[in-house]
Amino acid sequence: SQQGEEDPQALSIQEGENATMNCSYKTSINNLQWYRQNSGRGLVHLILIRSNEREKHSGRLRVTLDTSKKSSSLLITASRAADTASYFCATEGIQGAQKLVFGQGTRLTINP
Amino acid sequence: GAGVSQTPSNKVTEKGKYVELRCDPISGHTALYWYRQSLGQGPEFLIYFQGTGAADDSGLPNDRFFAVRPEGSVSTLKIQRTERGDSAVYLCASSLGTRSPLHFGNGTRLTVT
Repeated sequence: SQQGEEDPQALSIQEGENATMNCSYKTSINNLQWYRQNSGRGLVHLILIRSNEREKHSGRLRVTLDTSKKSSSLLITASRAADTASYFCATEGIQGAQKLVFGQGTRLTINP
Repeated sequence: GAGVSQTPSNKVTEKGKYVELRCDPISGHTALYWYRQSLGQGPEFLIYFQGTGAADDSGLPNDRFFAVRPEGSVSTLKIQRTERGDSAVYLCASSLGTRSPLHFGNGTRLTVT
């Protein structure tokens, strides 16, 4: 079963624009992670934000976490064609459960 | 190799057959995970190993699925009496341990005809 829901399911923007993807989850978490997946490949870890953090940056990526609303957002600034991929959020629970539970993903297309 | 290696990359089998999928994690990573991903969906958790033991196998769909990691490194996912519904990409990931990012392999695409 999947915990997270991502919104939108698909997003198409022009190169250079910013892309924002949202993730909502259901249970309390220890951390939330974002991954990218290019077609036919495995997932690549992008960024991890802990439950006591509200915002985190990594290069052109900005992640926010609102534990009161059980939601997170991923912002990619100044998008490039190479950012075209599927993006997944994944949550790690607090009750000793080490497994990551993934959402359904957002398919991002950057048009040149 | 530097990354997680999964073999074979593609496997086509007939309904009812037995298959084994192999995962070679990153050297030194104690945690190993198996996920299953259907088209257009996110990865679905199957099983997690810490060292040699299965710490959480709650995601295995039924007793046809079994996984081992006898020496705490390479892992094999075994599926008996395959069904068409087992068709998916099976992803393996490893990590340094708890609270660490996962490193994924490119997956094995299993097709049951």
